[in-house]
Amino acid sequence: GAVVSQHPSRVICKSGTSVKIECRSLDFQATTMFWYRQFPKQSLMLMATSNEGSKATYEQGVEKDKFLINHASLTLSTLTVTSAHPEDSSFYICSVKRGVGTEAFFGQGTRLTVV
Amino acid sequence: AQTVTQSQPEMSVQEAETVTLSCTYDTSESNYYLFWYKQPPSRQMILVIRQEAYKQQNATENRFSVNFQKAAKSFSLKISDSQLGDTAMYFCAFMGPIQGAQKLVFGQGTRLTINP
Repeated sequence: GAVVSQHPSRVICKSGTSVKIECRSLDFQATTMFWYRQFPKQSLMLMATSNEGSKATYEQGVEKDKFLINHASLTLSTLTVTSAHPEDSSFYICSVKRGVGTEAFFGQGTRLTVV
Repeated sequence: AQTVTQSQPEMSVQEAETVTLSCTYDTSESNYYLFWYKQPPSRQMILVIRQEAYKQQNATENRFSVNFQKAAKSFSLKISDSQLGDTAMYFCAFMGPIQGAQKLVFGQGTRLTINP
């Protein structure tokens, strides 16, 4: 069965509004989760590392005030796209890892369309 | 910073043939992990195979095997007896130092099509 649940799978929102995407680890507690963005026909680009109980670590060039990450529990991380604009339209994927050197499990992804 | 390069944007083979996807990477680390992930049209990322850098033996998983050349920093994936269900994007990925955050760095991807 699924190890990671990501919700919603698709969302359409109006420009200027905010959208929240949830990522749940179903099989184990995850102190660290990762958020990726994928443009059409391109690779996954790491946006940020979500740390339970502390601030997320953002990759260079990612606006932390636009992409708010909250890792409030060991099984849930949320990504909120604030004041969304059409250029934020993309496929967002979260992942979790069980431990050092282990494989990453991925959520089903969220297709965000900003109109 | 680590980089991963996949030089084949697209590949196409006939069903039952063998195909090899290339991947090279750049790192100054001595301990690390390498992965091949598959992303079918559903866009769900699926682990294909995993290799620890400290292991000389190449990893194998049924029809999937790797050729890991640490000195050359090369990590190719061989798919034997290819099947229609192998059609997908394949991403090579590098996982950083053991003591670090262990984030994945992905290559650009290779779109593989298996033709009937």
